[in-house]
Amino acid sequence: GQNIDQPTEMTATEGAIVQINCTYQTSGFNGLFWYQQHAGEAPTFLSYNVLDGLEEKGRFSSFLSRSKGYSYLLLKELQMKDSASYLCAVRGFQKLVFGTGTRLLVSP
Amino acid sequence: ETGVTQTPRHLVMGMTNKKSLKCEQHLGHNAMYWYKQSAKKPLELMFVYSLEERVENNSVPSRFSPECPNSSHLFLHLHTLQPEDSALYLCASSQVYQAGGVDTQYFGPGTRLTVL
Repeated sequence: GQNIDQPTEMTATEGAIVQINCTYQTSGFNGLFWYQQHAGEAPTFLSYNVLDGLEEKGRFSSFLSRSKGYSYLLLKELQMKDSASYLCAVRGFQKLVFGTGTRLLVSP
Repeated sequence: ETGVTQTPRHLVMGMTNKKSLKCEQHLGHNAMYWYKQSAKKPLELMFVYSLEERVENNSVPSRFSPECPNSSHLFLHLHTLQPEDSALYLCASSQVYQAGGVDTQYFGPGTRLTVL
C-alpha cells in the first residue's frame, strides 16, 4: 500500500521559519517532490529529493531521509504570499502519489 | 505561464449532459496525466498517457473517458456524471524516459467542474 502523511494545517508569522513534515510508506521510491498550490491555482514545483540530505533553493529547503521515510520542507523569512497549500508527493515509475497537503497560513 | 493550458476553466453541467475537458501542453513532453482534486483529499491520478500507452487507475468510473490524439493534446470526455464528481480536474505533463523514471510534472490551471 501507499500512504503519505502531512499535517492538515499550520500557522506562522511573517518573517518566521516554518517546517512542514511529510512521512511516507510506499511500495516503490524514486524520489520525493514538494509542490506549492495557491487557492484556485495549479500546483507548482518547488523541490525534488532523491538522495538523503538537504536541498536548498533560496528561502526554501527540502530534506529527505529514505531510511526513515521522512521529508520536510523548510520555509525561511516567511512572506504573506507563502500562504498556500504545500503538497508532498512520492514518485514511483510513471506515477506520483500525493499527500493531502498542508495548508499554511502566514499572518502579519 | 505554465506551458500547460486547460479549457474550460469552469464548467457547470447536469447529470445527463455530455461535455469534454481539453488540455494542451507546449513543453515537448511525452506523457500527460489527468488528476482529480476534491476538497480535503489528496490529488487522485485518473489516467496516464505515456510513451503512447494508456495507464489507467482501475477505480475511475467509466463515465470518465480519456482521449490522447497526440503527445500535446489530452481530452477527458464526461457523460452522465454524478454530483460527487464535482471537483477540480487538473492536467499535467512530464518527460518520461525509456530507461525508467519520470521528470517533474507540470500542471495546468485546472477545470472547476460542478455537476448539478
